Amino acid sequence: QKEVEQNSGPLSVPEGAIASLNCTYSDRGSQSFFWYRQYSGKSPELIMSIYSNGDKEDGRFTAQLNKASQYVSLLIRDSQPSDSATYLCAVNANYGQNFVFGPGTRLSVLP
Amino acid sequence: KAGVTQTPRYLIKTRGQQVTLSCSPISGHRSVSWYQQTPGQGLQFLFEYFSETQRNKGNFPGRFSGRQFSNSRSEMNVSTLELGDSALYLCASSLEVGDTQYFGPGTRLTVL
Repeated sequence: QKEVEQNSGPLSVPEGAIASLNCTYSDRGSQSFFWYRQYSGKSPELIMSIYSNGDKEDGRFTAQLNKASQYVSLLIRDSQPSDSATYLCAVNANYGQNFVFGPGTRLSVLP
Repeated sequence: KAGVTQTPRYLIKTRGQQVTLSCSPISGHRSVSWYQQTPGQGLQFLFEYFSETQRNKGNFPGRFSGRQFSNSRSEMNVSTLELGDSALYLCASSLEVGDTQYFGPGTRLTVL
């Protein structure tokens, strides 16, 4: 059973701070990793994907991947109240297999 | 480019009825995945279709079925509805199986 785990939160950070969201996965053969943001009552929207060990930056977002430790994280710099949402981590073991989603971490950015 | 569309957006049914949900993927995307999302269970994978063939299937009873048409549009059907089927049903499209998935707005199903 392939599993993806995340802290359910809520994770509360003050406005302007760095929010750090973590995700661990069980399948060592996983190749593709994704972060989605989901506002309450809405569908998930893609933030970014990462495939190689290391960091990948996109604006205020940085994804970090460590395959040896089987974890992927998302950093949000200069957090804004509009970042308050549930963040979903998704993992794909191999091309041709379905995504496995984590339960999500609820982030609350306090003004 | 238009995004993923799902119809209907909201649906109310009673126990025992059946329901059909529709999903139109992003133009050029050939893979469609379906998910069920409930507050208690999170995002659960139902099935994935590519080129009119089911490629992957989640752990759901046979009451849940789907299909894909030659234009990549997909439908899912739930027969003999139960109260526990009340959920947000999400469709996601991708170029190929395993590629980045883009979600539609979802269909909110309420079973009374």
